[in-house]
Amino acid sequence: EAGVVQSPRYKIIEKKQPVAFWCNPISGHNTLYWYLQNLGQGPELLIRYENEEAVDDSQLPKDRFSAERLKGVDSTLKIQPAELGDSAVYLCASSFRGSSSTDTQYFGPGTRLTVL
Amino acid sequence: AQSVTQLDSHVSVSEGTPVLLRCNYSSSYSPSLFWYVQHPNKGLQLLLKYTSAATLVKGINGFEAEFKKSETSFHLTKPSAHMSDAAEYFCVVSDPGNEKLTFGTGTRLTIIP
Repeated sequence: EAGVVQSPRYKIIEKKQPVAFWCNPISGHNTLYWYLQNLGQGPELLIRYENEEAVDDSQLPKDRFSAERLKGVDSTLKIQPAELGDSAVYLCASSFRGSSSTDTQYFGPGTRLTVL
Repeated sequence: AQSVTQLDSHVSVSEGTPVLLRCNYSSSYSPSLFWYVQHPNKGLQLLLKYTSAATLVKGINGFEAEFKKSETSFHLTKPSAHMSDAAEYFCVVSDPGNEKLTFGTGTRLTIIP
């Protein structure tokens, strides 16, 4: 079974430039998550989708960050304009929303963003 | 609010000796608890998951963890460390019905040959 796919794996941009990350979840998984992981820290949730709907975007800085999940499958996370403090690893995860009290989330390898 | 505290930022053990990574949690409910491992340049991989069934949970690669409600702990153990266990380990908590995972700050495990 293929895992969560993310691209690009690495991205270096100058500040004020836009950047986009792409995620393809595990086939059949209806829930998709974007996390931010700063160096030396655990991941923090940015946004959660159930199918096409963003059900939790309370931690997404909406002035510069946006996300979409068209057709309830692939998702794109965008930053415009990027700031120096956005340098981090951006992780995508997916799960199947079933009857379990907490569904297991499967993570992709992440995109490491460096803003110069 | 849910939270986890990983008591050691860095643990070093010799190959073949036991591993103990400590985690304390805070939750208003009966939480779900997880341990994830992150190898360099790899995605987070689930080691094991506790969801109010047996308090001793067995995971992959010989790891296990014991849920102790009285101590609000969920420590990760392995009887004999292997070089391939060197990685970052995250303890994670989630309240029931809440899909939000709250991660600890991680423990870096180093294996000494």
